[in-house]
Amino acid sequence: ELKVEQNPLFLSMQEGKNYTIYCNYSTTSDRLYWYRQDPGKSLESLFVLLSNGAVKQEGRLMASLDTKARLSTLHITAAVHDLSATYFCAVGRGVDSNYQLIWGAGTKLIIKP
Amino acid sequence: ETGVTQTPRHLVMGMTNKKSLKCEQHLGHNAMYWYKQSAKKPLELMFVYNFKEQTENNSVPSRFSPECPNSSHLFLHLHTLQPEDSALYLCASSQGARAWETQYFGPGTRLLVL
Repeated sequence: ELKVEQNPLFLSMQEGKNYTIYCNYSTTSDRLYWYRQDPGKSLESLFVLLSNGAVKQEGRLMASLDTKARLSTLHITAAVHDLSATYFCAVGRGVDSNYQLIWGAGTKLIIKP
Repeated sequence: ETGVTQTPRHLVMGMTNKKSLKCEQHLGHNAMYWYKQSAKKPLELMFVYNFKEQTENNSVPSRFSPECPNSSHLFLHLHTLQPEDSALYLCASSQGARAWETQYFGPGTRLLVL
C-alpha cells in the first residue's frame, strides 16, 4: 500500500528565513506533485517531478526528488508572508485509467512578518 | 468563468436531507474527479470519470452518488449523510485520466451535516 508522509504538518516561521518541507513515500512511483492551497481556495499545482534528481524552481520555492530514497523536498528561501499556505505533496500510483494520486496530509505554513 | 467552479461553496444539511453538489470545468478537459478533504487528513479520492464514464469508485458509501452528464459537468448527489461526512468536497479535472495529467482543482464545497 502506498503511503505518503509529510513533515512537519505545521510550520511557523519568520520572514527571511529558509526552511524545508519533506515528503516521504513508501513504494516506487513515476511522479511526484507539489500543490499549494490557500484558505478557502483551490489547490494550485506548483511542481511535477518526474525523475530521480529532478529539481524545479519557481521564485522562492524549489522542489527536488530522490527516487532512491523515496523522498521529495520543498525548500523555501527567504520566506515572505505571501507564501503562507498549506502545501501538499502527492504521489502517482497505477497506470492508465487506474492511475491515482495518493496525497500527504499537508503542511500548514505560517510566515510571520 | 474560467477554470473549475463549484457550487454551492457552503452547505449545511440534516441527515435526512437530499442535496447535490455541482462542479463545472471550463478547461476542455475529459476527466473529472471528486475528492473529500477532512481536517488533518490526506485528500481522499472518491470518484473518477473519464469521458463521462466512471473509472474509479474508491469504496465510497452509497449515500454519495456521482453523476457526469457530460465532460464539463460533474455532480455529487447526497442523501442520508452522517455527521462524519462533514468535510470539504473538492472537484478536479484533467485533460485525461492518465499518469502525466496535472489535475486542476475547484475551490470546494464545505459541507456540514447536522
